[in-house]
Amino acid sequence: AQSVSQHNHHVILSEAASLELGCNYSYGGTVNLFWYVQYPGQHLQLLLKYFSGDPLVKGIKGFEAEFIKSKFSFNLRKPSVQWSDTAEYFCAPRSVDSNYQLIWGAGTKLIIKP
Amino acid sequence: ETGVTQTPRHLVMGMTNKKSLKCEQHLGHNAMYWYKQSAKKPLELMFVYSLEERVENNSVPSRFSPECPNSSHLFLHLHTLQPEDSALYLCASSQDGLAYEQYFGPGTRLTVT
Repeated sequence: AQSVSQHNHHVILSEAASLELGCNYSYGGTVNLFWYVQYPGQHLQLLLKYFSGDPLVKGIKGFEAEFIKSKFSFNLRKPSVQWSDTAEYFCAPRSVDSNYQLIWGAGTKLIIKP
Repeated sequence: ETGVTQTPRHLVMGMTNKKSLKCEQHLGHNAMYWYKQSAKKPLELMFVYSLEERVENNSVPSRFSPECPNSSHLFLHLHTLQPEDSALYLCASSQDGLAYEQYFGPGTRLTVT
């Protein structure tokens, strides 16, 4: 069965620290990959996505993610976090066999200490 | 400001009540989704409509009944719910096809007493 694993449920960092959130998925076929973010009290919004091409993709607010096909991973990174990055982050691969079915991770709650 | 709106934002209902959740998208999309978001669990896809036809129904209990009268509106009719149905219910929309991401509404926080 297809699944996705986000390695950390809670991460606490100080401002200006570097961030890497892990995401691994289990699916042998071609996938599209998404990271969504949910700021406190706000709706889920797209952070970045990968469909094809350059495996290093850049998203909003200085975030980036790297698709490593051999490792089935799509880790999210930011070189220097800000207090406003406090949010919950969700990795969501989607098999190209399905137009609709995203496979959601359990989410990682990120808290940035000012 | 999101292009997907949901009403009500909060709902408290008893187990014998009947209520409906409403979703409206202003993005010109042709696919709409209902999700359930519970604490410490991954988002659960409940229903998908594409061009007003239901295309996914992920083993959701019959006490949840979706309705999609047109491509801009989606409803979730609720009846005889259980306390474990308390959760945040999210609506999303997208263009139909692999190249498109989903856009989410703010959700309805449902509490079943």
